[in-house]
Amino acid sequence: GAVVSQHPSRVICKSGTSVKIECRSLDFQATTMFWYRQFPKQSLMLMATSNEGSKATYEQGVEKDKFLINHASLTLSTLTVTSAHPEDSSFYICSAVRNAGAGDTQYFGPGTRLTVL
Amino acid sequence: GDSVTQMEGPVTLSEEAFLTINCTYTATGYPSLFWYVQYPGEGLQLLLKATKADDKGSNKGFEATYRKETTSFHLEKGSVQVSDSAVYFCALSGLGGTASKLTFGTGTRLQVTL
Repeated sequence: GAVVSQHPSRVICKSGTSVKIECRSLDFQATTMFWYRQFPKQSLMLMATSNEGSKATYEQGVEKDKFLINHASLTLSTLTVTSAHPEDSSFYICSAVRNAGAGDTQYFGPGTRLTVL
Repeated sequence: GDSVTQMEGPVTLSEEAFLTINCTYTATGYPSLFWYVQYPGEGLQLLLKATKADDKGSNKGFEATYRKETTSFHLEKGSVQVSDSAVYFCALSGLGGTASKLTFGTGTRLQVTL
Protein backbone atom coordinates (compact mmCIF):
# COMPACT_ATOMS: atom_id res chain seq x y z
CA GLY A 1 0.00 0.00 0.00
CA ALA A 2 0.92 3.66 -0.23
CA VAL A 3 3.15 4.93 2.56
CA VAL A 4 3.64 8.47 3.78
CA SER A 5 6.38 9.24 6.26
CA GLN A 6 7.04 12.26 8.43
CA HIS A 7 10.29 13.34 10.01
CA PRO A 8 10.89 13.94 12.79
CA SER A 9 8.22 12.07 14.73
CA ARG A 10 8.69 14.41 17.65
CA VAL A 11 10.75 17.53 18.25
CA ILE A 12 11.38 19.80 21.18
CA CYS A 13 12.75 23.28 20.54
CA LYS A 14 13.32 26.55 22.30
CA SER A 15 11.06 29.53 21.78
CA GLY A 16 12.20 31.70 18.88
CA THR A 17 13.82 28.95 16.86
CA SER A 18 12.54 27.49 13.58
CA VAL A 19 11.60 23.87 13.03
CA LYS A 20 11.27 22.02 9.74
CA ILE A 21 8.99 19.00 9.34
CA GLU A 22 9.26 16.75 6.29
CA CYS A 23 6.46 14.81 4.65
CA ARG A 24 7.43 12.17 2.10
CA SER A 25 5.40 9.88 -0.11
CA LEU A 26 7.62 6.80 -0.22
CA ASP A 27 6.20 4.76 -3.07
CA PHE A 28 4.12 7.15 -5.14
CA GLN A 29 4.20 10.64 -6.51
CA ALA A 30 1.96 13.28 -4.98
CA THR A 31 1.21 16.55 -6.71
CA THR A 32 -0.93 17.58 -3.76
CA MET A 33 -0.23 17.26 -0.07
CA PHE A 34 -2.18 18.64 2.86
CA TRP A 35 -0.94 19.85 6.23
CA TYR A 36 -3.16 19.49 9.31
CA ARG A 37 -2.80 20.51 12.91
CA GLN A 38 -4.37 18.62 15.79
CA PHE A 39 -4.80 19.91 19.32
CA PRO A 40 -5.39 17.50 22.23
CA LYS A 41 -8.88 16.01 22.14
CA GLN A 42 -9.76 18.09 19.09
CA SER A 43 -10.21 17.32 15.45
CA LEU A 44 -7.66 17.76 12.70
CA MET A 45 -7.67 21.29 11.36
CA LEU A 46 -6.55 21.84 7.78
CA MET A 47 -3.77 24.40 7.65
CA ALA A 48 -2.83 24.48 3.99
CA THR A 49 -2.80 22.70 0.66
CA SER A 50 0.64 22.12 -0.78
CA ASN A 51 0.94 21.81 -4.56
CA GLU A 52 4.14 20.71 -6.26
CA GLY A 53 5.78 23.55 -8.11
CA SER A 54 3.47 26.28 -6.90
CA LYS A 55 2.66 28.28 -3.81
CA ALA A 56 0.72 26.68 -1.03
CA THR A 57 -2.88 27.65 -0.39
CA TYR A 58 -3.49 28.54 3.23
CA GLU A 59 -6.75 28.24 5.13
CA GLN A 60 -8.28 31.30 6.68
CA GLY A 61 -6.56 32.28 9.90
CA VAL A 62 -3.31 30.44 9.19
CA GLU A 63 -0.30 32.74 8.96
CA LYS A 64 1.61 31.92 5.80
CA ASP A 65 4.72 33.74 7.03
CA LYS A 66 4.63 31.70 10.21
CA PHE A 67 4.10 28.32 8.60
CA LEU A 68 6.23 28.09 5.48
CA ILE A 69 5.37 25.29 3.10
CA ASN A 70 7.57 24.10 0.28
CA HIS A 71 6.61 21.32 -2.12
CA ALA A 72 9.80 21.09 -4.14
CA SER A 73 9.32 17.62 -5.58
CA LEU A 74 6.59 15.09 -6.23
CA THR A 75 7.56 13.13 -3.12
CA LEU A 76 8.44 15.79 -0.58
CA SER A 77 6.68 18.66 1.14
CA THR A 78 8.12 20.55 4.09
CA LEU A 79 6.48 22.64 6.78
CA THR A 80 8.70 25.12 8.59
CA VAL A 81 7.41 26.68 11.77
CA THR A 82 9.30 29.95 12.01
CA SER A 83 10.12 31.68 15.28
CA ALA A 84 8.22 29.04 17.16
CA HIS A 85 6.41 29.89 20.38
CA PRO A 86 4.78 27.68 23.01
CA GLU A 87 1.35 28.20 21.44
CA ASP A 88 2.68 26.48 18.30
CA SER A 89 3.08 23.27 20.26
CA SER A 90 0.82 20.76 18.58
CA PHE A 91 0.58 17.57 16.55
CA TYR A 92 1.18 18.22 12.85
CA ILE A 93 -0.07 15.68 10.31
CA CYS A 94 0.44 15.61 6.57
CA SER A 95 -1.36 13.70 3.88
CA ALA A 96 -0.43 12.99 0.28
CA VAL A 97 -2.75 12.45 -2.63
CA ARG A 98 -2.10 9.57 -4.98
CA ASN A 99 -3.86 9.71 -8.30
CA ALA A 100 -5.27 6.28 -8.86
CA GLY A 101 -7.28 6.03 -12.03
CA ALA A 102 -10.79 7.29 -11.59
CA GLY A 103 -10.40 8.27 -7.95
CA ASP A 104 -7.76 10.11 -5.97
CA THR A 105 -6.82 8.65 -2.61
CA GLN A 106 -5.41 10.58 0.33
CA TYR A 107 -2.80 8.85 2.53
CA PHE A 108 -1.77 10.19 5.91
CA GLY A 109 1.58 10.37 7.64
CA PRO A 110 1.99 9.32 11.29
CA GLY A 111 2.30 12.90 12.53
CA THR A 112 4.96 15.04 14.21
CA ARG A 113 4.61 16.20 17.77
CA LEU A 114 6.15 19.65 18.27
CA THR A 115 6.84 20.97 21.74
CA VAL A 116 8.10 24.53 22.08
CA LEU A 117 9.62 25.40 25.43
CA GLY B 1 -19.26 26.20 6.96
CA ASP B 2 -18.99 22.45 6.93
CA SER B 3 -18.77 20.64 10.24
CA VAL B 4 -18.76 17.14 11.66
CA THR B 5 -19.96 16.13 15.12
CA GLN B 6 -19.18 12.74 16.56
CA MET B 7 -19.77 11.22 19.95
CA GLU B 8 -17.18 11.81 22.58
CA GLY B 9 -15.16 8.94 23.90
CA PRO B 10 -13.66 6.99 25.16
CA VAL B 11 -15.90 4.08 24.32
CA THR B 12 -15.02 0.94 26.24
CA LEU B 13 -16.47 -2.38 25.11
CA SER B 14 -15.89 -6.01 25.80
CA GLU B 15 -14.74 -8.19 22.95
CA GLU B 16 -17.61 -9.37 20.70
CA ALA B 17 -19.84 -6.47 21.76
CA PHE B 18 -21.78 -4.39 19.25
CA LEU B 19 -20.29 -1.03 18.36
CA THR B 20 -21.97 2.18 17.31
CA ILE B 21 -20.16 5.49 16.98
CA ASN B 22 -22.49 8.32 16.06
CA CYS B 23 -21.59 10.94 13.48
CA THR B 24 -23.67 13.80 12.15
CA TYR B 25 -22.68 16.49 9.74
CA THR B 26 -23.54 19.93 8.42
CA ALA B 27 -22.64 20.77 4.85
CA THR B 28 -23.97 22.52 1.80
CA GLY B 29 -24.65 20.43 -1.22
CA TYR B 30 -23.89 16.74 -1.29
CA PRO B 31 -20.68 15.87 0.54
CA SER B 32 -18.81 12.59 0.50
CA LEU B 33 -18.52 10.98 3.93
CA PHE B 34 -15.66 8.97 5.41
CA TRP B 35 -14.53 7.08 8.45
CA TYR B 36 -10.82 7.05 9.20
CA VAL B 37 -9.07 4.96 11.85
CA GLN B 38 -5.84 5.75 13.66
CA TYR B 39 -4.10 2.88 15.40
CA PRO B 40 -1.56 3.73 18.11
CA GLY B 41 1.60 5.18 16.63
CA GLU B 42 0.30 5.09 13.06
CA GLY B 43 -1.18 7.52 10.56
CA LEU B 44 -4.85 7.84 9.71
CA GLN B 45 -6.16 5.12 7.43
CA LEU B 46 -9.31 5.26 5.36
CA LEU B 47 -11.71 2.71 6.81
CA LEU B 48 -14.73 3.25 4.57
CA LYS B 49 -16.54 5.88 2.57
CA ALA B 50 -19.85 6.74 0.94
CA THR B 51 -20.30 9.27 -1.81
CA LYS B 52 -24.07 9.66 -2.10
CA ALA B 53 -27.25 9.30 -0.11
CA ASP B 54 -28.22 5.75 0.94
CA ASP B 55 -24.78 4.40 0.01
CA LYS B 56 -23.37 1.95 2.52
CA GLY B 57 -19.63 1.85 3.04
CA SER B 58 -18.14 -1.30 4.52
CA ASN B 59 -14.73 -2.69 5.36
CA LYS B 60 -13.28 -5.15 7.90
CA GLY B 61 -16.74 -5.79 9.38
CA PHE B 62 -17.45 -2.07 9.86
CA GLU B 63 -20.40 -0.44 8.14
CA ALA B 64 -21.85 3.05 7.80
CA THR B 65 -24.82 4.28 5.78
CA TYR B 66 -25.09 7.77 4.32
CA ARG B 67 -28.40 9.12 5.65
CA LYS B 68 -29.21 12.44 4.05
CA GLU B 69 -32.53 12.86 5.85
CA THR B 70 -30.85 12.72 9.25
CA THR B 71 -27.45 14.04 8.05
CA SER B 72 -25.78 11.10 9.72
CA PHE B 73 -23.10 8.51 8.99
CA HIS B 74 -22.97 6.28 12.07
CA LEU B 75 -20.25 3.64 12.27
CA GLU B 76 -21.27 0.12 13.32
CA LYS B 77 -19.66 -3.24 13.85
CA GLY B 78 -21.45 -6.34 15.01
CA SER B 79 -18.65 -7.88 17.04
CA VAL B 80 -15.57 -5.89 18.01
CA GLN B 81 -12.15 -7.34 18.66
CA VAL B 82 -9.28 -6.16 20.83
CA SER B 83 -7.43 -5.28 17.63
CA ASP B 84 -10.13 -2.71 16.82
CA SER B 85 -8.91 -0.51 19.67
CA ALA B 86 -8.05 2.79 18.00
CA VAL B 87 -9.29 6.33 17.44
CA TYR B 88 -12.03 6.69 14.83
CA PHE B 89 -12.59 9.91 12.90
CA CYS B 90 -15.66 10.83 10.90
CA ALA B 91 -14.97 13.24 8.05
CA LEU B 92 -16.58 14.86 5.05
CA SER B 93 -15.40 16.27 1.78
CA GLY B 94 -17.51 18.94 0.23
CA LEU B 95 -15.98 18.54 -3.18
CA GLY B 96 -16.18 14.78 -3.31
CA GLY B 97 -13.44 12.17 -3.19
CA THR B 98 -10.79 11.64 -0.55
CA ALA B 99 -8.32 13.91 -2.30
CA SER B 100 -10.33 17.01 -1.57
CA LYS B 101 -10.11 18.98 1.64
CA LEU B 102 -11.44 17.01 4.56
CA THR B 103 -13.37 18.32 7.56
CA PHE B 104 -12.92 16.02 10.54
CA GLY B 105 -14.84 15.31 13.69
CA THR B 106 -13.01 15.28 17.02
CA GLY B 107 -12.35 11.55 16.98
CA THR B 108 -13.69 8.81 19.23
CA ARG B 109 -11.32 6.53 21.08
CA LEU B 110 -12.43 2.89 21.22
CA GLN B 111 -10.98 0.55 23.81
CA VAL B 112 -11.89 -3.11 23.52
CA THR B 113 -11.12 -5.40 26.44
CA LEU B 114 -11.10 -9.17 26.80
